[in-house]
Amino acid sequence: SQTIHQWPATLVQPVGSPLSLECTVEGTSNPNLYWYRQAAGRGLQLLFYSVGIGQISSEVPQNLSASRPQDRQFILSSKKLLLSDSGFYLCAWSVLEGANYGYTFGSGTRLTVV
Amino acid sequence: DAKTTQPPSMDCAEGRAANLPCNHSTISGNEYVYWYRQIHSQGPQYIIHGLKNNETNEMASLIITEDRKSSTLILPHATLRDTAVYYCIVRRTGRRALTFGSGTRLQVQP
Repeated sequence: SQTIHQWPATLVQPVGSPLSLECTVEGTSNPNLYWYRQAAGRGLQLLFYSVGIGQISSEVPQNLSASRPQDRQFILSSKKLLLSDSGFYLCAWSVLEGANYGYTFGSGTRLTVV
Repeated sequence: DAKTTQPPSMDCAEGRAANLPCNHSTISGNEYVYWYRQIHSQGPQYIIHGLKNNETNEMASLIITEDRKSSTLILPHATLRDTAVYYCIVRRTGRRALTFGSGTRLQVQP
């Protein structure tokens, strides 16, 4: 069966420090991968998506970057965190199943920048 | 993708049906209606989707009006565990990413 792993579950980082969040998917090949962010009390914002190795699309300009070094690995990074980077970060994957891109979300990383 | 409008919050008594409305008056012919929910501090969970016919699965029913300008998600027997934010999303075939709005916060009362 397909599973998605996201870690760490919680993270507290000082302003100006680097960030690396990792997401891996098992049980599927060539998935579409996504990073979303949810600020406190707000909706989900799509940050990046990837349709293949090395292919990254950015939805909003920001302090973050994403990479996909392997088919089932998606990494979210920052060189220097800002206070505004705090939030709940969610990784998701999808594959086309008929007319439905079956989206599955990870359990998320709650990042607090202090 | 078409814009959706949902009430910000709703209450429902435990054991009763929860009917969550969604307006998508600008929907086009190749756009599907999706419903997801997010329980506090978890990732969103897929519930159901449809194009123009009503759909039912083990979690819920989706009723789409004939003109497709609105839909209703029905949880037939709401439980306390159904307390969550419910998102109605319209997405056209081929567009890969989901765009989430504000959703409806459903509170199931004991």
